[in-house]
Amino acid sequence: TQLLEQSPQFLSIQEGENLTVYCNSSSVFSSLQWYRQEPGEGPVLLVTVVTGGEVKKLKRLTFQFGDARKDSSLHITAAQTGDTGLYLCAGAGDSGAGSYQLTFGKGTKLSVIP
Amino acid sequence: NAGVTQTPKFQVLKTGQSMTLQCAQDMNHEYMSWYRQDPGMGLRLIHYSVGAGITDQGEVPNGYNVSRSTTEDFPLRLLSAAPSQTSVYFCASSYAPLAGGYPVETQYFGPGTRLLVL
Repeated sequence: TQLLEQSPQFLSIQEGENLTVYCNSSSVFSSLQWYRQEPGEGPVLLVTVVTGGEVKKLKRLTFQFGDARKDSSLHITAAQTGDTGLYLCAGAGDSGAGSYQLTFGKGTKLSVIP
Repeated sequence: NAGVTQTPKFQVLKTGQSMTLQCAQDMNHEYMSWYRQDPGMGLRLIHYSVGAGITDQGEVPNGYNVSRSTTEDFPLRLLSAAPSQTSVYFCASSYAPLAGGYPVETQYFGPGTRLLVL
């Protein structure tokens, strides 16, 4: 069973601060995704990283996939109240039908205070 | 496109009752799945389907049945509801475009069904 550990579990910061959320595993994933979920809604895909060492930027969000494809980080620069939500990482299996199955971390609940 | 739709949005059941959670997608995705989300537990896969007529169990399948007669629909049935099945249920559909030679799954989630079993 592939497990993904996210840290921290909860994060409360002031608007304008920077933050980093981590997603770690002992397993190798063919790709890793980050979702954001707002209260009362389903998760929405933010980004997919595929190549070890890959860095992707989405406005103030920077995503990195570890060189060994076992871990990932999400860095938010100058957080805004609109960034508040639950951030989930999810890893895809490394072969065959398993590539359709995602393993989700338990999430990081981010609160950005005005 | 409506994307992934789920009905009902809320449901209250008594222990022992049965019900079906509906899920439909209009994106012609082959792969669909059901998750439950509980506080502190994250999203856990219940059942999934890689195409019409094909279903398989996920991490927590006990107490649930699924069927996939069409590409569009993937209903989840609770056979005899138990309080432990109180949760938020999400349906998702996905496709896997190739990137760097690997299929990269791209999942789209529905808005969820909030279920309370008394």
